[in-house]
Amino acid sequence: SAVISQKPSRDICQRGTSLTIQCQVDSQVTMMFWYRQQPGQSLTLIATANQGSEATYESGFVIDKFPISRPNLTFSTLTVSNMSPEDSSIYLCSVAEQGAGALHFGNGTRLTVT
Amino acid sequence: GENVEQHPSTLSVQEGDSAVIKCTYSDSASNYFPWYKQELGKGPQLIIDIRSNVGEKKDQRIAVTLNKTAKHFSLHITETQPEDSAVYFCALPGNSGYALNFGKGTSLLVTP
Repeated sequence: SAVISQKPSRDICQRGTSLTIQCQVDSQVTMMFWYRQQPGQSLTLIATANQGSEATYESGFVIDKFPISRPNLTFSTLTVSNMSPEDSSIYLCSVAEQGAGALHFGNGTRLTVT
Repeated sequence: GENVEQHPSTLSVQEGDSAVIKCTYSDSASNYFPWYKQELGKGPQLIIDIRSNVGEKKDQRIAVTLNKTAKHFSLHITETQPEDSAVYFCALPGNSGYALNFGKGTSLLVTP
């Protein structure tokens, strides 16, 4: 299965600032997703990162707050903008291998907003 | 997307005992049923999955069973070991058919 690398692995940020998280995959993949996992909670889908076009956001998530880029089939970024303490979460990049059904995850970015 | 109910939320067993976690769903069109294990500080890892054309799948000490009539699927771990301690999530495909919707998770503790 694909190997997914996320950077940074963790960060502590001040309220009002922005953080960009990078996701690099070792092979070309069709589908890439960004999930959020709040402390002690399950995973919630933020958006589907579409190569060469705007991301598709889930209900409750907007582009102004979580802009996403996907310039090619192996790389994507998620920015958490104008952060508040409520944004403290683990942010996870995930990929679907074509036809497999399964999703594979990176180890996530642990974000703490003070 | 498809909602999935997962029980129990916490489970404590003694080493060597079996553990069972169950998920129920409502959409009869669901056809892919994965289970993930998340260890502390790591992302979720797929441990076993099943498609709707079979009722059971086994991989060493873990198995998944599917009851499409009753709309539930379960994870079975036999001969549990301390390293099985983790949070386990069931999931179902969402509206797009690719992204997954996850259950709330089960925190499994295996005590020596």
